[in-house]
Amino acid sequence: AQSVSQHNHHVILSEAASLELGCNYSYGGTVNLFWYVQYPGQHLQLLLKYFSGDPLVKGIKGFEAEFIKSKFSFNLRKPSVQWSDTAEYFCAVGPVMNYGGSQGNLIFGKGTKLSVKP
Amino acid sequence: EAGVTQSPTHLIKTRGQQATLRCSPISGHTSVYWYQQALGLGLQFLLWYDEGEERNRGNFPPRFSGRQFPNYSSELNVNALELEDSALYLCASSLEGFSGNTIYFGEGSWLTVV
Repeated sequence: AQSVSQHNHHVILSEAASLELGCNYSYGGTVNLFWYVQYPGQHLQLLLKYFSGDPLVKGIKGFEAEFIKSKFSFNLRKPSVQWSDTAEYFCAVGPVMNYGGSQGNLIFGKGTKLSVKP
Repeated sequence: EAGVTQSPTHLIKTRGQQATLRCSPISGHTSVYWYQQALGLGLQFLLWYDEGEERNRGNFPPRFSGRQFPNYSSELNVNALELEDSALYLCASSLEGFSGNTIYFGEGSWLTVV
């Protein structure tokens, strides 16, 4: 079955620390990859996405992620976190069908809560 | 430009009743998706509508149903409510068939079943 694993349930960092959130998926075919963020009291927002091309993608607010196909991974990174990065982060995978379309569903990981101490 | 809008924001129903949740996609988007975000279970895909037709559904019982209207808005119906249906229901939209297109989420509708 298709699944997405986020390794950390809760990460606590001090401001200026570096961040790496792990995401692995199980699906043998082509995928689109996403990281979404949910700030406290707000709705899910797209942080970054990978469809094809350069496996290192840059998103908003200084976040980036690297797609490593051989490892089925799409880890999220930020060199220096800020208190305002406190949020829940979700990795999601969208399987791409052979004909290039999709099944219309994203498979989400269970999320990683990031708490940044000022 | 308005994002994905959902109503109501909160809904309280009694076990056995029916709930109806509504969603308006971003202008120009033809695909609408419904997800359930239940405590401890994460986001689970419910339904995908495109051009008025149900294209795919997740692993949910038939009492979860919906439809998409000619203006691409959508509603989700949950019949015979059970306590475990209490969750945040998220609607999302994209240009047709999101492969290659990003999906955008609304703020959700909180359903509480008592």
